[in-house]
Amino acid sequence: GESVGLHLPTLSVQEGDNSIINCAYSNSASDYFIWYKQESGKGPQFIIDIRSNMDKRQGQRVTVLLNKTVKHLSLQIAATQPGDSAVYFCAENTPLLPSGSARQLTFGSGTQLTVLP
Amino acid sequence: GAVVSQHPSRVICKSGTSVKIECRSLDFQATTMFWYRQFPKQSLMLMATSNEGSKATYEQGVEKDKFLINHASLTLSTLTVTSAHPEDSSFYICSARYETQYFGPGTRLLVL
Repeated sequence: GESVGLHLPTLSVQEGDNSIINCAYSNSASDYFIWYKQESGKGPQFIIDIRSNMDKRQGQRVTVLLNKTVKHLSLQIAATQPGDSAVYFCAENTPLLPSGSARQLTFGSGTQLTVLP
Repeated sequence: GAVVSQHPSRVICKSGTSVKIECRSLDFQATTMFWYRQFPKQSLMLMATSNEGSKATYEQGVEKDKFLINHASLTLSTLTVTSAHPEDSSFYICSARYETQYFGPGTRLLVL
């Protein structure tokens, strides 16, 4: 569901290490999930998505894991680079109607990733 | 990926004036676009869903008479903040759906 807070969770990692960013979602009817990266002063940038019929999907240096049992999503970034520093948001796509034709994207609170040199 | 643009990227206006923000899908057609607002250090909050050729659907608590949305074509949606006040200062972001949702670069609005 919607999550608004004044303080973003933060994660600091050393350059070259792997990063794991976690997200809990609230709606068991959500069937599609997206990870976005947002750099300061810019709009969110699509990273990777996953549908609820999958539990893992890999992209270039990124992997998304989905655990529907506990409604948990994670983003793993391999060999983290300085350019990966940003706020990362998970988003769940929920059908608003039984037909599934109307859908709404709900964002998590975000995690600030800082890559240390 | 699909490209969404916004104009202007930032705007400063006096209290009481109206400001129009444009959102365009550059390489695809979008029957549905979305408008979000984001305050510093916070997540994106959906304001309204813009439907081409019909009225926008507003989220609870968003004043439709203050935030006018027009989706006149399959590639353009506009958000007009009418009689803007300092509390309307925020980062406004639009998105459009093309298989997934792609976001514009955002518009920073500062109302003095």
